[in-house]
Amino acid sequence: GAVVSQHPSRVICKSGTSVKIECRSLDFQATTMFWYRQFPKQSLMLMATSNEGSKATYEQGVEKDKFLINHASLTLSTLTVTSAHPEDSSFYICSAGEGGYIQYFGAGTRLSVL
Amino acid sequence: KQEVTQIPAALSVPEGENLVLNCSFTDSAIYNLQWFRQDPGKGLTSLLLIQSSQREQTSGRLNASLDKSSGRSTLYIAASQPGDSATYLCAVEGGGAQKLVFGQGTRLTINP
Repeated sequence: GAVVSQHPSRVICKSGTSVKIECRSLDFQATTMFWYRQFPKQSLMLMATSNEGSKATYEQGVEKDKFLINHASLTLSTLTVTSAHPEDSSFYICSAGEGGYIQYFGAGTRLSVL
Repeated sequence: KQEVTQIPAALSVPEGENLVLNCSFTDSAIYNLQWFRQDPGKGLTSLLLIQSSQREQTSGRLNASLDKSSGRSTLYIAASQPGDSATYLCAVEGGGAQKLVFGQGTRLTINP
């Protein structure tokens, strides 16, 4: 099956720094990638949808200047959490679709901001 | 706005039992419904996908049903095993753009 690689799996950073998370589709071209956020014991909340070569579409309440998304190629999307603060600590998961209704999920990144 | 609810939030049963997880959604205009498995600190594994025109899907010991008109889906797990312990999430896709709306999940524990 299709594989989505997400890196890093875990990151710990100091407050005020920026963190970049990568999401790669390894064996298919992802026309659309999605970024989700999951708080402990809660569900996944869609943050934004990104299409290759165009600006990401953010969900209501998600700060686009805080969470920068770049989808520069059909196999790579990045999420940068800028000036991270402790309240940004969460589990971030990406998924990728190749045009149909199936999304393939990455293993997630646990971000801890001190 | 679509809302997805899963009941119960947590379930603990002895090994070997058959069990049912429930999922309900408020807007019946969906394209499909999926059930996922999530192990602690891990990503999601897709278990079953039911298209809006379908009533059920089966994979091994898993059977998922969909009643779109009543906004409900169930995931039936037969002969549960300790390896089935995980959080099970249901998600619906509707409104286009492949957007998924997830429920809060059911944390399942199968006791040996």
